[in-house]
Amino acid sequence: EILLTQSPATLSLSPGDTATLSCRASQNVGTYLAWYQQKPGQAPRLLIYDASNRASGIPGRFSGGGSGTDFTLTISSLQPEDFAVYYCQQRSNWPSLTFGGGTKVEIK
Amino acid sequence: VQLLESGGGLVQPGGSLRLSCAASGFTFSNYAMSWVRLAPGKGLEWVSGIKHSAAVTYYADSVKGRFTISRDNYQNTVYLQMNSLTAEDTAVYYCATSQQLIFDYWGQGTLVTVSS
Repeated sequence: EILLTQSPATLSLSPGDTATLSCRASQNVGTYLAWYQQKPGQAPRLLIYDASNRASGIPGRFSGGGSGTDFTLTISSLQPEDFAVYYCQQRSNWPSLTFGGGTKVEIK
Repeated sequence: VQLLESGGGLVQPGGSLRLSCAASGFTFSNYAMSWVRLAPGKGLEWVSGIKHSAAVTYYADSVKGRFTISRDNYQNTVYLQMNSLTAEDTAVYYCATSQQLIFDYWGQGTLVTVSS
């Protein structure tokens, strides 16, 4: 099973700041990595797939990068609606799909 | 795209429950589907997946042998039969489309609580 380790667990920032979230895989996943956003009481939402491709309707302030074992999600100029939990997910080790433990982006 | 889960509730340890997910707004028979859960205080966990034809199914090790995924492409519905439930299965269960193993669209979830 491929383990995904997200850091930090919690990120305390102010609106307008830039958030940089990390996801590290225990094995090479190529670019088969996605990012999701989840707000309390809501379903997760796909943000980024294949490491750097924004999903339909996702604002340009969300960007993803990386390959192999190290990935980042960057949120530029945080908006109030961006404070949420973010998860990475790999699809390299099919059919064993795994998520990271999540990073909570909270208001400082 | 709309996915509407149902069937959650309170069940005793060792009991069974069947979740349903009714899909609309897209050609259901063309899409692979999955179930993903969120346990209290934990992160997302993929549970099971099924290809569009229903011929192939997949399970996480944590549920293999206890859960069964199925689908009815005429009723546009995917199911999750859960047997031998334990407290560790307590979670909100989401269904999601999973084309190319990416979870594009999600339902709002249904809560399963396993407790005596």
